[in-house]
Amino acid sequence: DAKTTQPTSMDCAEGRAANLPCNHSTISGNEYVYWYRQIHSQGPQYIIHGLKNNETNEMASLIITEDRKSSTLILPHATLRDTAVYYCIVRDWGGTASKLTFGTGTRLQVTL
Amino acid sequence: KAGVTQTPRYLIKTRGQQVTLSCSPISGHRSVSWYQQTPGQGLQFLFEYFSETQRNKGNFPGRFSGRQFSNSRSEMNVSTLELGDSALYLCASRPNPGQGAVEQYFGPGTRLTVT
Repeated sequence: DAKTTQPTSMDCAEGRAANLPCNHSTISGNEYVYWYRQIHSQGPQYIIHGLKNNETNEMASLIITEDRKSSTLILPHATLRDTAVYYCIVRDWGGTASKLTFGTGTRLQVTL
Repeated sequence: KAGVTQTPRYLIKTRGQQVTLSCSPISGHRSVSWYQQTPGQGLQFLFEYFSETQRNKGNFPGRFSGRQFSNSRSEMNVSTLELGDSALYLCASRPNPGQGAVEQYFGPGTRLTVT
């Protein structure tokens, strides 16, 4: 699986958009970008995934650059409950293997 | 639809003992994976089970084992516990493996403390 690089921490004011970057310059053509988050002492929560097109769901938007070497997770209106560690993971579609390799992630702190 | 459930939520054991943790996946999900999370090593993949067969294994000693039952429920066992086994053990489930990207759904975890 391709390696990812994320900032260690970020702050965001409540109500503003939180833009979390991820670099995955060695991504290969069949690898997806997944985002998960982990709120303190809970299990990781799936947010969104994409291959090459931008994706949006009820939680967030995922913007993947045209060369697929980086992506940005956007939480459009961050709330205090979005304070968590956000993990960007790159891996292929999985087949019969579901292993996820978690890095250190970005610790997002949403403040009043 | 109920989420992934794990029992027990908290557990305290003594060095040298063994422990069994249980995971019930989301209804209809047949793949179950286990992860260990510690402050020092972060989230690490232990193993995955699908159709009662171990499909993938992480880099953990043989003291860590698991199994899956015909109803997709899974258990993991750690024998001869060491202090370093203190961790949050997470279970994740997903639908039948197949074509396309598939997200995983994690349970709340079992926090194991070894004294």
